[in-house]
Amino acid sequence: AQSVTQLGSHVSVSEGALVLLRCNYSSSVPPYLFWYVQYPNQGLQLLLKYTSAATLVKGINGFEAEFKKSETSFHLTKPSAHMSDAAEYFCAAGGNQGGKLIFGQGTELSVKP
Amino acid sequence: GAVVSQHPSRVICKSGTSVKIECRSLDFQATTMFWYRQFPKQSLMLMATSNEGSKATYEQGVEKDKFLINHASLTLSTLTVTSAHPEDSSFYICSAAVGQGGLYEQYFGPGTRLTVT
Repeated sequence: AQSVTQLGSHVSVSEGALVLLRCNYSSSVPPYLFWYVQYPNQGLQLLLKYTSAATLVKGINGFEAEFKKSETSFHLTKPSAHMSDAAEYFCAAGGNQGGKLIFGQGTELSVKP
Repeated sequence: GAVVSQHPSRVICKSGTSVKIECRSLDFQATTMFWYRQFPKQSLMLMATSNEGSKATYEQGVEKDKFLINHASLTLSTLTVTSAHPEDSSFYICSAAVGQGGLYEQYFGPGTRLTVT
């Protein structure tokens, strides 16, 4: 069965520092992979998605993620954190077979001034 | 494009009453709609998958008689929480999926905060 693991339920960085949020998937067949961001009391917004077209995926707000099949990883990065990046981030796998997604546990990103 | 709305955004109801939450895709027709529940500081828990014109498929452990889902059209799905109790208080999020070339992408609504007193 597919599963998604996000390492670290909470990550804290200083403004301007590198953001790295980790995501590993477990699947015999590389799935479609997604990163979403959720601000308090809001729904989820798609940051980026991997659909096998390119291993390095660029998304909105300066985020990008690299698919590494050998490591079954899809870590999210941003070179320089901004205060507005503080939010909850979810990695998800799936998107085929009718669109069902398997979500990771989420990582809360805090950005210190 | 790809906007999904939910109504209401927040609702407070008394224990024993029923509450209906609407999920609409505003500018596209959705192949499938999903309903999630989210507890504070936790991930999304899929409750059910809904296809227009057919019965919803509920995840294990979700009471289908308590959480009634109706998918009346390709742009509207409703979730009714029947005989609500305080433990049903939660943040409910819907999403609408569009499929193309084998990939289904979900677009999420803003969520509904339900508080049962």
